Amino acid sequence: NAGVTQTPKFQVLKTGQSMTLQCAQDMNHEYMSWYRQDPGMGLRLIHYSVGAGITDQGEVPNGYNVSRSTTEDFPLRLLSAAPSQTSVYFCASRRGDRGQAFFGQGTRLTVV
Amino acid sequence: KNQVEQSPQSLIILEGKNCTLQCNYTVSPFSNLRWYKQDTGRGPVSLTIMTFSENTKSNGRYTATLDADTKQSSLHITASQLSDSASYICVSYSGAGSYQLTFGKGTKLSVIP
Repeated sequence: NAGVTQTPKFQVLKTGQSMTLQCAQDMNHEYMSWYRQDPGMGLRLIHYSVGAGITDQGEVPNGYNVSRSTTEDFPLRLLSAAPSQTSVYFCASRRGDRGQAFFGQGTRLTVV
Repeated sequence: KNQVEQSPQSLIILEGKNCTLQCNYTVSPFSNLRWYKQDTGRGPVSLTIMTFSENTKSNGRYTATLDADTKQSSLHITASQLSDSASYICVSYSGAGSYQLTFGKGTKLSVIP
């Protein structure tokens, strides 16, 4: 039982490049979400999904896209990277709206 | 707007000493509150959950309290160890049907020998 798996762990992008952060969970959780964590800001919600085919915007969605074609996978796409997207990104999943959130190891992204 | 405020922002203690971290929340409707531990370079991991009706809950050397009237929670760490060095994040869950979690900014705890 791997839990929540994120790839890659580190990434450097040039401004304007696009990329996809991968997230997979093997706990059959309905809820999945993406957060970014910046110094002094805490975790902020980017996008979330309450099931396959259902996604919605969080607090800071601009510049990011998501899709959820399966229960297991929830990739996050950066369309045109900007230095302001330099951050640590966490994927999380949980069972239901009150369940414990399980987090991935994080992706440290630097945009130069 | 739902908010979670944590104090102190950072804390340095000697190994073996006790410490208490504070969390004030203004979340409505309130469902439950969890404390998470985040080691450097890792994702947060849940330590304990406090529901509306619970006052105290222990998990080994960690004891969480909740006062629903004053909307305050605390995390007490007993006989600290070097491995307790981490950020501790207070997270409040809203009522049924609400997806949003409200995160505090965390308390960075450093335990030194």
